[in-house]
Amino acid sequence: GAVVSQHPSRVICKSGTSVKIECRSLDFQATTMFWYRQFPKQSLMLMATSNEGSKATYEQGVEKDKFLINHASLTLSTLTVTSAHPEDSSFYICSARPWDRGRSDTIYFGEGSWLTVV
Amino acid sequence: AQSVSQHNHHVILSEAASLELGCNYSYGGTVNLFWYVQYPGQHLQLLLKYFSGDPLVKGIKGFEAEFIKSKFSFNLRKPSVQWSDTAEYFCAVNSGGGADGLTFGKGTHLIIQP
Repeated sequence: GAVVSQHPSRVICKSGTSVKIECRSLDFQATTMFWYRQFPKQSLMLMATSNEGSKATYEQGVEKDKFLINHASLTLSTLTVTSAHPEDSSFYICSARPWDRGRSDTIYFGEGSWLTVV
Repeated sequence: AQSVSQHNHHVILSEAASLELGCNYSYGGTVNLFWYVQYPGQHLQLLLKYFSGDPLVKGIKGFEAEFIKSKFSFNLRKPSVQWSDTAEYFCAVNSGGGADGLTFGKGTHLIIQP
């Protein structure tokens, strides 16, 4: 089946530094990838929609200058948390939609990445 | 804007019991509905989805869900649960053609006792 991989699965960074999380679709090409954030015991919140070759579309309340999203290829999207602060500590999950018409109505999720800012 | 409400945050059942997890959504237009499961330490997996057609949808692992448009509901059911069904269950929606990101409910933590 389709696989979406995130790296790193866990990362600890110092306050004020930047950290990059990668999301790769391993066996399909994805024109659209989504980034979510999940706080403990809460739901996943959509942060942004990433379209290959164009700027990401951010949800209301998400700072685009803080959460930089790049979707440079059909199999890779990256989320960079810039000038991280402890309140950015969270579980970040990506998902990807295959551009293949036969599977385009299914969204596949990555394993998630735990970010801890100290 | 869409919203999803899952009524039960924690459910504890014994093996072989029947399961029904509630999900209601709020949106005025056409929606696509999903149930995802997250087993401990694993990523989200799609259990089933509804886009159109028969409102009774069958998914993997013996799960099914019924879309009741008049009630804005998409409840998840399983007639007889197993210990391996212990997981977090999320109801989600997106609109129209399905190209948008998902709006998730807060999830239901299901514990099956042997």
